[in-house]
Amino acid sequence: AQSVAQPEDQVNVAEGNPLTVKCTYSVSGNPYLFWYVQYPNRGLQFLLKYITGDNLVKGSYGFEAEFNKSQTSFHLKKPSALVSDSALYFCAVSPNTGRRALTFGSGTRLQVQP
Amino acid sequence: DAGITQSPRHKVTETGTPVTLRCHQTENHRYMYWYRQDPGHGLRLIHYSYGVKDTDKGEVSDGYSVSRSKTEDFLLTLESATSSQTSVYFCAIGEDTGELFFGEGSRLTVL
Repeated sequence: AQSVAQPEDQVNVAEGNPLTVKCTYSVSGNPYLFWYVQYPNRGLQFLLKYITGDNLVKGSYGFEAEFNKSQTSFHLKKPSALVSDSALYFCAVSPNTGRRALTFGSGTRLQVQP
Repeated sequence: DAGITQSPRHKVTETGTPVTLRCHQTENHRYMYWYRQDPGHGLRLIHYSYGVKDTDKGEVSDGYSVSRSKTEDFLLTLESATSSQTSVYFCAIGEDTGELFFGEGSRLTVL
């Protein structure tokens, strides 16, 4: 069975500072990894994904994520946080073969203070 | 927008009554999913479909059934609603690439 852990319920960062939202995963075989963002009273929106290739993946709104196979991690990063980045962030994993059923983490609330 | 709509968006019902949520897509995507979102649990997969009349269970499928008789519609049914099924339900659509597009959610309250 596949699983995702997001160890922090909330991350607080000052505007202009770098941010990191942590994610570790467990899956049989090689993973597909994803980050999604959710704004209040909305559905989730896709940010970025890792399938294969370069371990550093760039996505929407200046976000990037680093895949680390030995640590089974896929942390979300941004060099300079904006107040508008404040939202709920979800990491997700699926196997790279067979049927695609994403398993999500419990989510991390990012609060960027002005 | 990804061309996915959920109905109803809000529903209040009583324990023991049947409830059906509908997900409709205009994108012709192969995969359709139903998730529920609860505080502290993130999103949990209820059921998903990988083609017309092809469905499979997720991690929290007890008390739920689904049907997909045509590509564009995926129905989630609670045969006899319970208070533990009070939640926000999200439909999502996608392909083998794994990237999903989500609906706006259906908020269900079971009294």
